Parts: sequence; C-alpha cells; structure tokens
Amino acid sequence: AEKVIQVWSTASRQEGEELTLDCSYETSQVLYHLFWYKHLLSGEMVFLIRQTSSSTAKERSGRYSVVFQKSLKSISLIISALQPDDSGKYFCALWEPSNYNVLYFGSGTKLTVEP
Amino acid sequence: AQTIHQWPVAEIKAVGSPLSLGCTIKGKSSPNLYWYWQATGGTLQQLFYSITVGQVESVVQLNLSASRPKDDQFILSTEKLLLSHSGFYLCAWSLVGPSNERLFFGHGTKLSVL
Repeated sequence: AEKVIQVWSTASRQEGEELTLDCSYETSQVLYHLFWYKHLLSGEMVFLIRQTSSSTAKERSGRYSVVFQKSLKSISLIISALQPDDSGKYFCALWEPSNYNVLYFGSGTKLTVEP
Repeated sequence: AQTIHQWPVAEIKAVGSPLSLGCTIKGKSSPNLYWYWQATGGTLQQLFYSITVGQVESVVQLNLSASRPKDDQFILSTEKLLLSHSGFYLCAWSLVGPSNERLFFGHGTKLSVL
C-alpha cells in the first residue's frame, strides 16, 4: 500500500486565486515529518515547507501554509495569491525515524496557473 | 556553492540494453546521496541511498543497481533494461538524513525504454 497519497493528479487555477492541495499518509510512528516540494519544469525539486508531527504550530512560509490534521493523517498545502510561476508539480513526502534515510513521496499534483 | 549535476538529461534505450545514469555533487564533502524514480502517473520512489563511498543501500527492488565509486559520484545502472524502467530518475543529496536537512535534487533524467 502507498504510504503517501495525493488524490488529484492535476489542478488548474487563475492568477490571484488560492489553491489547496491535499495529501494523506500512513504511518504508525509517533514522530515523523511531512514535506511539500515543488518540481519545476527544469527538473529541479524545490523544498517548500515542513511540518513536524509533534508541532501544533501552523507552519507558514511566504505564500505557502499548511493545514495539518494529525488525527486524520492529512496535510494540505495552501498557496495564496497564485501566480503563473506557481505552475509545476507539487509533491507531498513523509519521513519516519524507523526509515531514517528514506523519504516517501506521493505521486504529485500538477498545477497550472493561468494569467 | 554546491551543485548537483545529472547525466544524461534524457535517454531512449532498447529493451535488454544496458544503462548507466550518473550524478555528481560539487561543493559538499561526504554528502548522503539518493536515487529516486517516478513512472508516469506513479509515486516518486526512493531506490537507493548511500551514506559513504562504497556503501549503497537498496530501498526498492527494480532490477537496478547503484554504486558510489567516489565521494561526489553516484551511479545507477543495469545490464538489461526492462520496459518498466521507463520514467524519470532523480538524484539527490543531503548533509545528514532527509529529515534534518532538506534534500537537494538534480534536474533529473528522462528514460524511455522501447
């Protein structure tokens, strides 16, 4: 079974709108980290934001923020004031201490932002 | 500044032919190195990781092998390609584990097996 699931493979929005990308995950660990990455058309993978399971803070970085629902094993990435440069593929990822050197990714959501 | 270079950018290969993909990291000493793979529509899967020269651990069995002949070099290879090997391959590095340090990815290699 997949450990990280991103249901939507594609999404499309207009410039200036807000978008929520959903991700669900499976883990039996108490401590774990969740990450959001953006995969650019150039191939480069860019780190966006991290959520630690033990943190109750609402993580935010610029126009990126997350909604972490630990009991539901769900994390959503919210991108506000979308710009055409936000187009790309967004990946959710899970890290567990029992698999210290492994990062589990979802299948990604491809976002297109129209001007 | 550290850089990560992957080669080739793209490959078209025949089933049964050999494959060698490479990755070089400059500007960082003794990084952790990783290979990832994504089939079209599939999850981005970690294939291998290496903590030090000469040591490589397999995460997913895909009839591929990896080697780390030098501190800054990571090679992914197979002697016989399968159709299922098609996809996008990404090399990445981190200073410690991926939880303590962000992963820095290369630009990737698109592999088409025909």
